Amino acid sequence: EAQVTQNPRYLITVTGKKLTVTCSQNMNHEYMSWYRQDPGLGLRQIYYSMNVEVTDKGDVPEGYKVSRKEKRNFPLILESPSPNQTSLYFCASSSNTPTGGGNTIYFGEGSWLTVV
Amino acid sequence: GESVGLHLPTLSVQEGDNSIINCAYSNSASDYFIWYKQESGKGPQFIIDIRSNMDKRQGQRVTVLLNKTVKHLSLQIAATQPGDSAVYFCAEILNSNSGYALNFGKGTSLLVTP
Repeated sequence: EAQVTQNPRYLITVTGKKLTVTCSQNMNHEYMSWYRQDPGLGLRQIYYSMNVEVTDKGDVPEGYKVSRKEKRNFPLILESPSPNQTSLYFCASSSNTPTGGGNTIYFGEGSWLTVV
Repeated sequence: GESVGLHLPTLSVQEGDNSIINCAYSNSASDYFIWYKQESGKGPQFIIDIRSNMDKRQGQRVTVLLNKTVKHLSLQIAATQPGDSAVYFCAEILNSNSGYALNFGKGTSLLVTP
């Protein structure tokens, strides 16, 4: 079964305490990305990766880091979280050219992050 | 940049009726479109997709229509059920040699009443 798995699903942390949200996919996809979802703003892309050791900024990268050392994993790192990073985060994976017919974009279940 | 929008932020329908959710897109070069369903507290779930060389595609109880002339995408849900209550997003994808650009609509909330 095609899966994108995120952990943790829920986390409350304090300002400045480094945290990592993991993401793993089992579809051998090249492309992985992170989004945050905020009320009224929809899904906004934070970072993406087209393959191992290739990462690039999305629309809202400030305050985040990522790494892609293995094809299946794409962790999101908050070095010094701040309250404005309180949000719902989604990881997604796909081939580099989604065109339908099963070649599409899959999302994880989401990670609720609260920074106090 | 290009954006994808939805005509109505909320839609309320009675159980058993058909639902139509609309989406306007502005990038005429987009290759591929997806509809997602997002239930409260869950991730976006793929419903149906359509390539730009098609104008209609049907799934189980769902149909997507693509009108490239007016850059409009719609999702039709037949015999809407309470379990269909969710937020629905459209997404447009533009593929290129350097990956793809993905734009999401902000979502339409569908409420199914008994």
